[in-house]
Amino acid sequence: GEDVEQSLFLSVREGDSSVINCTYTDSSSTYLYWYKQEPGAGLQLLTYIFSNMDMKQDQRLTVLLNKKDKHLSLRIADTQTGDSAIYFCAETPYSGAGSYQLTFGKGTKLSVIP
Amino acid sequence: DTAVSQTPKYLVTQMGNDKSIKCEQNLGHDTMYWYKQDSKKFLKIMFSYNNKELIINETVPNRFSPKSPDKAHLNLHINSLELGDSAVYFCASSLGSNQPQHFGDGTRLSIL
Repeated sequence: GEDVEQSLFLSVREGDSSVINCTYTDSSSTYLYWYKQEPGAGLQLLTYIFSNMDMKQDQRLTVLLNKKDKHLSLRIADTQTGDSAIYFCAETPYSGAGSYQLTFGKGTKLSVIP
Repeated sequence: DTAVSQTPKYLVTQMGNDKSIKCEQNLGHDTMYWYKQDSKKFLKIMFSYNNKELIINETVPNRFSPKSPDKAHLNLHINSLELGDSAVYFCASSLGSNQPQHFGDGTRLSIL
């Protein structure tokens, strides 16, 4: 079955890099995603990576994908207090009849210490 | 310009009532979804519609009935509300079922 695992908490100092890790189970996932949820807010699509890529960089964000180990990571450079949020990793296993189902991890709560 | 909008943002009601949550997207997407986020922040899909047709229906009580009057709207009606229905409900949409999903801001449902 599908299962996405992430550590629940991460605490970093402002200005340091944050690395949030995720393991997933389904190799049929075409895309893997990172979503951000600030307190009391909705889910913001932060970035995503196509399954045939190893790395994707977007300004302060770097996504690394190790397909062999089914490991996905999100690195945030120069972490700011505004980065404090819950970060969800998600995979998209094939669920039949041409449809894919977004399956989320439990989220990693990132706390940035000023 | 809001891409995926849900109303209401907050919904407080009593057990046993019937309520609806509306969702609209102006992105021209074909696929729309409803998710439930519980008090521990765990997100789980409830329903998925593609071009007004139901394609995913997870194990959700029959009291929950989605309705898609057109491609841009997916509403959620809940009958006989129970305490365990208290959660945040998110609507989302995507161009296709294997494309990035964009979420609304959520509807915070509290059952008294």
